[in-house]
Amino acid sequence: DVKVTQSSRYLVKRTGEKVFLECVQDMDHENMFWYRQDPGLGLRLIYFSYDVKMKEKGDIPEGYSVSREKKERFSLILESASTNQTSMYLCASSLFPETLQETQYFGPGTRLLVL
Amino acid sequence: SQQGEEDPQALSIQEGENATMNCSYKTSINNLQWYRQNSGRGLVHLILIRSNEREKHSGRLRVTLDTSKKSSSLLITASRAADTASYFCAPVNMDTGRRALTFGSGTRLQVQP
Repeated sequence: DVKVTQSSRYLVKRTGEKVFLECVQDMDHENMFWYRQDPGLGLRLIYFSYDVKMKEKGDIPEGYSVSREKKERFSLILESASTNQTSMYLCASSLFPETLQETQYFGPGTRLLVL
Repeated sequence: SQQGEEDPQALSIQEGENATMNCSYKTSINNLQWYRQNSGRGLVHLILIRSNEREKHSGRLRVTLDTSKKSSSLLITASRAADTASYFCAPVNMDTGRRALTFGSGTRLQVQP
């Protein structure tokens, strides 16, 4: 079974802090994704990566950056956390980018509160 | 936009009843995927239906696809309290070059014991 793990289930940070959210997958997947989920807005794609050191902006990349130094690990970085980044953050992975004919596997999510 | 729109936004039924939720989309598609999300958790893939398929079954799940109407439905038969979750559709159009799925706001299903 594919397993996607996220470093924290709950996180409380202060405005202006630098925040790291870590995601690890154990199935050698090429693609990894970061989404945020807010009530009424569904899931919105922040960034994704289709290979080590490769990244592409999603729909709402502003205020975020990512890092993929190893295939199994994809980090989301909030350079200077703001209260409007309070959200549920979901990491996902999938095997092939080109076809989208296959499953995305999601982690359990990190609920981030920025005070 | 490739995003699917789920309807209704919320649905409450009794255990044992069937639950039907719908997804509408605007562009042509190659496939459409359904996911479930239990409260406070990640999404779990349920089923994928390709554009040349009209119906697909998986256990108590039945998915239909009508490409002429640009809609899909997910039927859960004999629902259980454990089916309480949010359900999302993700239509896929590979011609857009987009490499990620697009999700809407989902249907929140509450199954009363």
